[in-house]
Amino acid sequence: AQKVTQAQTEISVVEKEDVTLDCVYETRDTTYYLFWYKQPPSGELVFLIRRNSFDEQNEISGRYSWNFQKSTSSFNFTITASQVVDSAVYFCALFSGGYNKLIFGAGTRLAVHP
Amino acid sequence: EAGVAQSPRYKIIEKRQSVAFWCNPISGHATLYWYQQILGQGPKLLIQFQNNGVVDDSQLPKDRFSAERLKGVDSTLKIQPAKLEDSAVYLCASSPGTGFYSNQPQHFGDGTRLSIL
Repeated sequence: AQKVTQAQTEISVVEKEDVTLDCVYETRDTTYYLFWYKQPPSGELVFLIRRNSFDEQNEISGRYSWNFQKSTSSFNFTITASQVVDSAVYFCALFSGGYNKLIFGAGTRLAVHP
Repeated sequence: EAGVAQSPRYKIIEKRQSVAFWCNPISGHATLYWYQQILGQGPKLLIQFQNNGVVDDSQLPKDRFSAERLKGVDSTLKIQPAKLEDSAVYLCASSPGTGFYSNQPQHFGDGTRLSIL
């Protein structure tokens, strides 16, 4: 079965705090892709990152970083020095060839307060 | 490049009425998706087209939902008749790849927020 679990429903932080959003996935496929999307209040899902199952290197893009650990089936997302503009719902998603569709987690709502 | 265009932005109808949504994907994108996003949940795939053919409609409630993608470009999603549980945001997305290369990032429109009274 393909499944994505985002256990944190809502997170509230104060600006400049670091915050980590957790994502745990399940798949029996050996080749798969993991994604993070951001959904601001406007509603559009904005692509942030794609990672394939053979690349466990951590990635950093500005204030964003991602930690992929196959041993724990996790693909966590960290925002360093959070800003009010980071307030949004963040979705982790899984794509595998055996299932051939993108499976989303339930999302984590992040609120960054000034 | 222009993004995925969807209309209308909002729609309010009464149950048992019909409604249609329109989507224009990014130019050149072969694959088009319709998702349903119920409040507080992640998007769920309803139907996937590659060019003008249906690849996956396993989660489309075919007794009331229908979709088409004529000429492999624009697409419409229709609900007839609508039920209260159809209240959701309907998102359209597109990606350039086909087959397993549908693993490429999908580009989403702003969605249509449907409310059923």
